[in-house]
Amino acid sequence: QSALTQPASVSGSPGQSISISCTGSSSDIGGYNYVSWYQQHPGKAPKLLIYDVTNRPSGVSTRFSGSKSGNTASLTISEIQADDEADYYCSSYSNSNTYVFGTGTRVSVL
Amino acid sequence: EVHLVESGGVVVQPGDSLRLSCAASGFTFEDSDMHWVRQPPGKGLEWVSLINWDGESAYYADSVKGRFTVSRDNTKSSLFLQMNSLRHEDSALYYCAKDGPGAYGLEHWGQGTLVTVSS
Repeated sequence: QSALTQPASVSGSPGQSISISCTGSSSDIGGYNYVSWYQQHPGKAPKLLIYDVTNRPSGVSTRFSGSKSGNTASLTISEIQADDEADYYCSSYSNSNTYVFGTGTRVSVL
Repeated sequence: EVHLVESGGVVVQPGDSLRLSCAASGFTFEDSDMHWVRQPPGKGLEWVSLINWDGESAYYADSVKGRFTVSRDNTKSSLFLQMNSLRHEDSALYYCAKDGPGAYGLEHWGQGTLVTVSS
């Protein structure tokens, strides 16, 4: 159950698009289409952005999108805004009904 | 509206035991799988445990297996985490979360309860 690997930080200017990668293995990301993404502002509980690789819950902006290729999942934030500045975590189902989170990525809006 | 409220977090010593609770409302608790997720201060999220809707199946992260036990009382819409043999590295904000939507996504979270293990 090793944590999924994410870049420590990603930054972009307002209006730009950024992507956050999440690398695992064939035992988690590569083996199942059960990847979710979360946004966390300081002092707040995580907020679900994407579930089952590509699906957005009701109310989540269409600026957030998810994808997967092999053992790596990605979250893309288009037209980045100041309020998007937060920590982002991926998570995946792993073998034997366990789950694993990513190391987290701090997004900065320049 | 889904509402999850954790409680029971306190300061304890290494080796102590502690029981966390999560009170649920606003949804059909007995139909929902439930997770515990923790976050050490200033660090990332770590999945801890999953219990299925009827309490018959429970799963744990390797880091807590054999020390933590998850349970639920569907008559009281409550989730529990019994934590034994606590270690410094168990210090964290503990969240309960409702499973769903889809196959894997945690849309609803509580505000967390803080456990500090300190000598």
